[in-house]
Amino acid sequence: GESVGLHLPTLSVQEGDNSIINCAYSNSASDYFIWYKQESGKGPQFIIDIRSNMDKRQGQRVTVLLNKTVKHLSLQIAATQPGDSAVYFCAENLPGSGGYQKVTFGTGTKLQVIP
Amino acid sequence: DTGVSQDPRHKITKRGQNVTFRCDPISEHNRLYWYRQTLGQGPEFLTYFQNEAQLEKSRLLSDRFSAERPKGSFSTLEIQRTEQGDSAMYLCASSRTGGGNQPQHFGDGTRLSIL
Repeated sequence: GESVGLHLPTLSVQEGDNSIINCAYSNSASDYFIWYKQESGKGPQFIIDIRSNMDKRQGQRVTVLLNKTVKHLSLQIAATQPGDSAVYFCAENLPGSGGYQKVTFGTGTKLQVIP
Repeated sequence: DTGVSQDPRHKITKRGQNVTFRCDPISEHNRLYWYRQTLGQGPEFLTYFQNEAQLEKSRLLSDRFSAERPKGSFSTLEIQRTEQGDSAMYLCASSRTGGGNQPQHFGDGTRLSIL
């Protein structure tokens, strides 16, 4: 069937290892960043977010790191499991008028977990 | 929380036909977004509603596209005189207002195939 991960950069990780997915964002005025996970045939699923006044945020098995100096975002997944296999997108939010959140998605990285 | 619901999940139609998609957002979310996603790419913003008001439209949204949210709850996206290039996944997302930035939550999309 169709894959949302076609032609995307791919990261292959052994089950149980930690995964690090990197993202370079484009606009220094972006004030909010989100990581999404997208499985084939499904919509993006919210994983974790971070505001620009923070440099690290932890969730369950996931950590997001933000380096505003070099406009870099990373997602760390601890003890990667087969169910983590998906395409991961970072998204940046530019403040807009009327409260509108202009969210721009990055290219995406396909994570393949090897059992 | 029943999540964002989209209907239909798949639509196959001949070039030149009109199609309409429906999105039911999470019930307490008053912001609603439409995106388009093609294979290997991240979602691209199309349009945004706050309650029933359409406040932002992308240049991607040609005159053949129209979106409505008449009562501030569900939304419809109509494409008239479909073209081959309209083949894509159409995603809907919703979010809350207030309390600073809020993540957008996505439905599983409507996959449109133009024959």
